[in-house]
Formats: sequence, C-alpha cells, structure tokens
Amino acid sequence: GAGVSQTPSNKVTEKGKYVELRCDPISGHTALYWYRQSLGQGPEFLIYFQGTGAADDSGLPNDRFFAVRPEGSVSTLKIQRTERGDSAVYLCASSLRSSVWDTQYFGPGTRLTVL
Amino acid sequence: EDQVTQSPEALRLQEGESSSLNCSYTVSGLRGLFWYRQDPGKGPEFLFTLYSAGEEKEKERLKATLTKKESFLHITAPKPEDSATYLCAGIYFAGGTSYGKLTFGQGTILTVHP
Repeated sequence: GAGVSQTPSNKVTEKGKYVELRCDPISGHTALYWYRQSLGQGPEFLIYFQGTGAADDSGLPNDRFFAVRPEGSVSTLKIQRTERGDSAVYLCASSLRSSVWDTQYFGPGTRLTVL
Repeated sequence: EDQVTQSPEALRLQEGESSSLNCSYTVSGLRGLFWYRQDPGKGPEFLFTLYSAGEEKEKERLKATLTKKESFLHITAPKPEDSATYLCAGIYFAGGTSYGKLTFGQGTILTVHP
C-alpha cells in the first residue's frame, strides 16, 4: 500500500520568503507528526496532531512556524519569514493511533534550503 | 530532559565482521525504545520496538536487545547493503499521558566494506 508522501521533495527559497510543506499520511492513520532533521543529527520533534487538532506543538521553534491538518488527513507545515537556520530536512510521520504501541511510519522528507 | 545517546558516532566494518551499536537513554518515564534505519536522502525506516528490559527482537542479521539502562543493536555477519545510519528513539510518559512523540539519538553511521 501507499506510504507517507511529502511534497515537494526539495525546496529552495530566499531568506524572508514564506514556504509550505505538505504531508499525506497513510490512509486511516489518525496521528501525524512533524520532525526536523539537521545534517548529522537525529530528527527533532516539532508538532503532533491527533485528528484535526494539534495536541502538542511544544517543538515548534518560534511563532514563524505553524501547521494545520484541517480535515484530519493531509497536513501542511508553514514557515513565515524563512531564515538560513531553518534549512534542514522536514520529516512527516503517521501512525494508526497515538499510543506508544503504534509504529510511526516516516515519509521521505522535504529538504528545505534557505539562501 | 529526556535524552537518548548513541555510540559510536560512526562504525566501519568488514563484510562478515559482527558488532554492536549502543543506545543509552534516560531511564525515568521510558515507555518504549525504537530502532530505525535511515538511508541517505530517505526517511527513517522502522526496525524494532522494545518495551521491557530483557526483551529481544530479531530481523535477518539484526537483533535488538533492551536492558534497564541501554539498548543494543547487534549486527551479525553484516553485508554492504547493511550500510546506513541507525537511529535509536525513546517514547516517554509525559504529563499524565503517553503518546508517540519520539526522542531520537544522533544516530550511528554504519559502513560495511566488501
């Protein structure tokens, strides 16, 4: 079956611009997570959705970052006024439910480069 | 703060040379320990979940074990196609609830030479 998909696979933008990154989770998965991975590091948690609501956004670095999941399926991560330090791979993961017993399946990521 | 630390940062093996990767974690509140494999330019691929000390799981040449303070990923007779970054992650009990927020280590880059 289809896995988690993310678009675009690569995004190059200029400092100060606005970007949107999209995640399509596995069909039927109610929990959705966004992580950010810098070069040579493990992924870091950004935000978690259970259904349509953001249940934990404690990992968002500042108010330039925002994410939505209006219909409980596709999610969009939005970054305003991008900075060079935002350059990283943004990973999305989904799981059937949000318990510790549910495996998270990751998408291929979006590589964001801010010039 | 919950922490997961992996060692070594990089490991180079000859084909067939068995070895182990280490994952140390903050013990208090751990609910599950996960291992993922990540190939360059791709997202992490799930390998194993361990929930209690003494638990072991195997898949082909890989075996994951969990003790009360660390986890090991044992690689038996590795092949070049086992070359990848191996990530360890913990899920912790958080404020009255448990859900799937993963806290990752920095990964171990494994290179297996033919």
